[in-house]
Amino acid sequence: EAGVTQFPSHSVIEKGQTVTLRCDPISGHDNLYWYRRVMGKEIKFLLHFVKESKQDESGMPNNRFLAERTGGTYSTLKVQPAELEDSGVYFCASSQDLWGFLDNYGYTFGSGTRLTVV
Amino acid sequence: KQEVTQIPAALSVPEGENLVLNCSFTDSAIYNLQWFRQDPGKGLTSLLLIQSSQREQTSGRLNASLDKSSGRSTLYIAASQPGDSATYLCAVKRNSGAGSYQLTFGKGTKLSVIP
Repeated sequence: EAGVTQFPSHSVIEKGQTVTLRCDPISGHDNLYWYRRVMGKEIKFLLHFVKESKQDESGMPNNRFLAERTGGTYSTLKVQPAELEDSGVYFCASSQDLWGFLDNYGYTFGSGTRLTVV
Repeated sequence: KQEVTQIPAALSVPEGENLVLNCSFTDSAIYNLQWFRQDPGKGLTSLLLIQSSQREQTSGRLNASLDKSSGRSTLYIAASQPGDSATYLCAVKRNSGAGSYQLTFGKGTKLSVIP
């Protein structure tokens, strides 16, 4: 079974530019999550999709961030325009159910995209 | 607001030692607790998931316990090996109140096992 795939693995952009991150969840996982870790801080929740619908976007920092999930499959996270404080590692995760009862691993995370804004 | 604290922030032990990593959380209304491992430059690997109704889970040399009422979890690693060197993260799942569930993470414990 393929895991959660994220790309690019690294991205360096200038302040004011646009960047789009992509996440391919595990096939069949309706739940897709975005998290990020900025330097020195803990990993924090950004938003949660159930299929193609945004279930909870309470963690999105501001309206420069736009997430979409086409047809309930892959998801993109666009940052436009990027600011210096957006630098960090962006993780995507997927899960089969909301509570981890259907499998013993709960959330499966991707390897992350390291975003550097200069 | 849920807060997760992991102690110690860093730990260095000689190979072969048994060790315990600690995680505490402020709100006991959790659905489950998950321990992850992160290698440098890599993603998060799930190690153990403990449902709120469970007291412990075991996988190989790893044993995680959960005391929900006191807001604590421990990850016990037996007979540590250099390959166990990584950052270990604890995360609790809570109801976000928006029909969703969020993970709240600690900052992690960076473990170094010295050969």
